Amino acid sequence: NAGVTQTPKFQVLKTGQSMTLQCAQDMNHEYMSWYRQDPGMGLRLIHYSVGAGITDQGEVPNGYNVSRSTTEDFPLRLLSAAPSQTSVYFCASSYQGQGTEAFFGQGTRLTVV
Amino acid sequence: TQLLEQSPQFLSIQEGENLTVYCNSSSVFSSLQWYRQEPGEGPVLLVTVVTGGEVKKLKRLTFQFGDARKDSSLHITAAQPGDTGLYLCAGAKAGANSKLTFGKGITLSVRP
Repeated sequence: NAGVTQTPKFQVLKTGQSMTLQCAQDMNHEYMSWYRQDPGMGLRLIHYSVGAGITDQGEVPNGYNVSRSTTEDFPLRLLSAAPSQTSVYFCASSYQGQGTEAFFGQGTRLTVV
Repeated sequence: TQLLEQSPQFLSIQEGENLTVYCNSSSVFSSLQWYRQEPGEGPVLLVTVVTGGEVKKLKRLTFQFGDARKDSSLHITAAQPGDTGLYLCAGAKAGANSKLTFGKGITLSVRP
């Protein structure tokens, strides 16, 4: 059982480049989320989805897009990378809403130069 | 505004000591979770508390949810180096699509 799988694990981008962070889960969870983790800031919600075809903004959505075409996949797109987007990104899934256990991927460490 | 305040931010103790850390808010949560995160890994759930006053034990870890469901504490008895990590609390409010709000975390280091 793979759980939540994120790729890549590390990435370096130049300012202005775009890229997609991949997230896949094999637990048939309806709820999926993207967070960024910065030193001293904890985990901040970027976007989330309550099911296929439904997405919504979290606390820090600017500069990021998401889509949810299948239950399994929830990619995060950086449209034009900026140094302020240097962070560790975590994808999480849960069976129901936010009160249930969230399963996290191992994270993607992104550096924008 | 940080909805969940965790304290202390950093804690370094000797193996065998006891410790208590806190997660406080002015908001009421329908449930509160504690996660532990090790370097290079994602957070892993330790416990979920849902009832005011609830106490849950996980081996040497004791979690308590405040009576008013605004705060929580984590007590570790006889800390071990394996307890080292970042401890995050996260609260969920009522509603099926309620978002999970995380505190900034407590970095615990247990010295052998």
